[in-house]
Amino acid sequence: GENVEQHPSTLSVQEGDSAVIKCTYSDSASNYFPWYKQELGKRPQLIIDIRSNVGEKKDQRIAVTLNKTAKHFSLHITETQPEDSAVYFCAASRSDYKLSFGAGTTVTVRA
Amino acid sequence: DAGVIQSPRHEVTEMGQEVTLRCKPISGHNSLFWYRQTMMRGLELLIYFNNNVPIDDSGMPEDRFSAKMPNASFSTLKIQPSEPRDSAVYFCASSPLHSGNTIYFGEGSWLTVV
Repeated sequence: GENVEQHPSTLSVQEGDSAVIKCTYSDSASNYFPWYKQELGKRPQLIIDIRSNVGEKKDQRIAVTLNKTAKHFSLHITETQPEDSAVYFCAASRSDYKLSFGAGTTVTVRA
Repeated sequence: DAGVIQSPRHEVTEMGQEVTLRCKPISGHNSLFWYRQTMMRGLELLIYFNNNVPIDDSGMPEDRFSAKMPNASFSTLKIQPSEPRDSAVYFCASSPLHSGNTIYFGEGSWLTVV
């Protein structure tokens, strides 16, 4: 089955700086790559996703890039703010199968 | 839409007791998932239903765990008998069509087994 690895496990950044989280996956048939944000005590919520027919997608301060050849994808958060502090999960799946999640990255934005 | 609705939100029970967690998926979604989240193991998929039929239950840890989906708007996850190591947050999630689409999580059921 799919194996998703996520790095780093923790990330501390100064407010205003950028944060980058990287994930790799094992199943070359995977074609859907969402990112979820989970605030303390809350549920994971989708923040952005990308499908294999595109290489990059942006939504305001967040962007995701995908390299299908290397089987890795990344989340970029620019101009970080305190409310960006949370645990971020990457995931991957084939169109007809279950999502496999990474282990999560705890992001702390220092004021 | 109210989103995925789970109950109870919090439960504390004694070891050996039966625990039943409930979920109402988003109307129109035909895929439903039960996840367990712990610090040690992260988010684990326990079972996945599509059109009320269990498709993959390979994540169910042992026979003490069972899940049902009697209709499109209701699912249960049962643990009998419960053990302290079952303490975790259990999330129900739903998705339109197949799992290769966005899944939406409920608020979770926080289970503590003492």
